[in-house]
Amino acid sequence: EVQLVESGGGLVHPGRSLRLSCAASGFTFADCAMHWVRQAPGKGLEWVSGISWNSGSIGYADSVRGRFTISRDNAKNSLYLQMNSLRAEDTALYYCAKDMAIAVAGTIDYWGQGTLVTVSS
Amino acid sequence: QSVLTQPPSASGTPGQRVTISCSGSSSNIGSNTVNWYQQLPGTAPKLLIYSNNQRPSGVPDRFSGSKSGTSASLAISGLQSEDEADYYCAAWDDSLWVFGGGTKLTVL
Repeated sequence: EVQLVESGGGLVHPGRSLRLSCAASGFTFADCAMHWVRQAPGKGLEWVSGISWNSGSIGYADSVRGRFTISRDNAKNSLYLQMNSLRAEDTALYYCAKDMAIAVAGTIDYWGQGTLVTVSS
Repeated sequence: QSVLTQPPSASGTPGQRVTISCSGSSSNIGSNTVNWYQQLPGTAPKLLIYSNNQRPSGVPDRFSGSKSGTSASLAISGLQSEDEADYYCAAWDDSLWVFGGGTKLTVL
């Protein structure tokens, strides 16, 4: 059974940093691209970032490029999102998501339950 | 404002057939496949349809997808109360994923 468990969310002041983690199990992590997708309270889904199986290809949404960094550790079956210079508009539930393919342009097929990030003074 | 355009709401009665549209452009739907996700209240999204019209294992055949040009549609036949959820379309767009704004389906 595919399991994706996010952690690291919380309340943070504007301008500060936060690092999210995602522990994956139930599938061959190294064979899949991975993503972060967020959902602001009461709003729709927004893709944040994706990383290919070997970290060779990485993509970001325009809204986070230059502030967020995605990374993965295949030996630890883990995905990360380093979030710097956080803004109020980054407040959202952040989902870790698995891709069917090795490339970022594959298909997101499984989602974790999410970790809530609240940016507020 | 979302790159892919969906109607904010849709509704139907049990047993009815409903469709949800998703409109995009040549850079997303026009040149890539479309996926559909179902998000039940308070839960994470679930893949419903991928590659325009493929159902993952376990998804009932009441759900079907289609694509034509720069638009796609999700059809749900034999509507059931448990289908009440938010539905999102998604497509690759050059170098990033884009989603529709979501359609809230109400079963009357």
